[in-house]
Amino acid sequence: LAKTTQPISMDSYEGQEVNITCSHNNIATNDYITWYQQFPSQGPRFIIQGYKTKVTNEVASLFIPADRKSSTLSLPRVSLSDTAVYYCLVGDVFNDMRFGAGTRLTVKP
Amino acid sequence: NAGVTQTPKFQVLKTGQSMTLQCAQDMNHEYMSWYRQDPGMGLRLIHYSVGAGITDQGEVPNGYNVSRSTTEDFPLRLLSAAPSQTSVYFCASSSGQETQYFGPGTRLLVL
Repeated sequence: LAKTTQPISMDSYEGQEVNITCSHNNIATNDYITWYQQFPSQGPRFIIQGYKTKVTNEVASLFIPADRKSSTLSLPRVSLSDTAVYYCLVGDVFNDMRFGAGTRLTVKP
Repeated sequence: NAGVTQTPKFQVLKTGQSMTLQCAQDMNHEYMSWYRQDPGMGLRLIHYSVGAGITDQGEVPNGYNVSRSTTEDFPLRLLSAAPSQTSVYFCASSSGQETQYFGPGTRLLVL
């Protein structure tokens, strides 16, 4: 079971870069790492997914070191609208993935 | 594409009543799943399906039934509602086993 550990909460200010790190020490060889964002009263929304090294899209970057035992979601220049809960998931969605409590990010003006 | 749709948005039930939460997707995804989310917690998998006619249990299946007669629809049935089933229910679909698309959720209150 690919267990993940992430900080419960983080605070930031508008315009700053935010990095949320997730630990997954027992990640399996074929597991992907996926991050979701959830706003209050909405379902989670896919942000980014990666397997190794670095992945970047229009919303975020995902950094994965060579040992793949952790990953870091990077949100550039956050705004108030980035206030949400961010979930890190590893593995097969039906067999291994668990949505933990996630990281509650609060962006302040 | 409408994506994943869920009905109703909100429902109040009395203990012992039954009801069906509806979920539909128009993306021709093979995989569909149901989650529940309690206040301040992450999502927990109830049941999932890897294709029409195939379903399996997730982490918290007790008290819920599912069926998958078509690719598009994946209803969740509460057989005899209990206060412990008060929660927000999310349906999701995916073409693979990593990235899921979630519906807007159904808020259920069992009195």
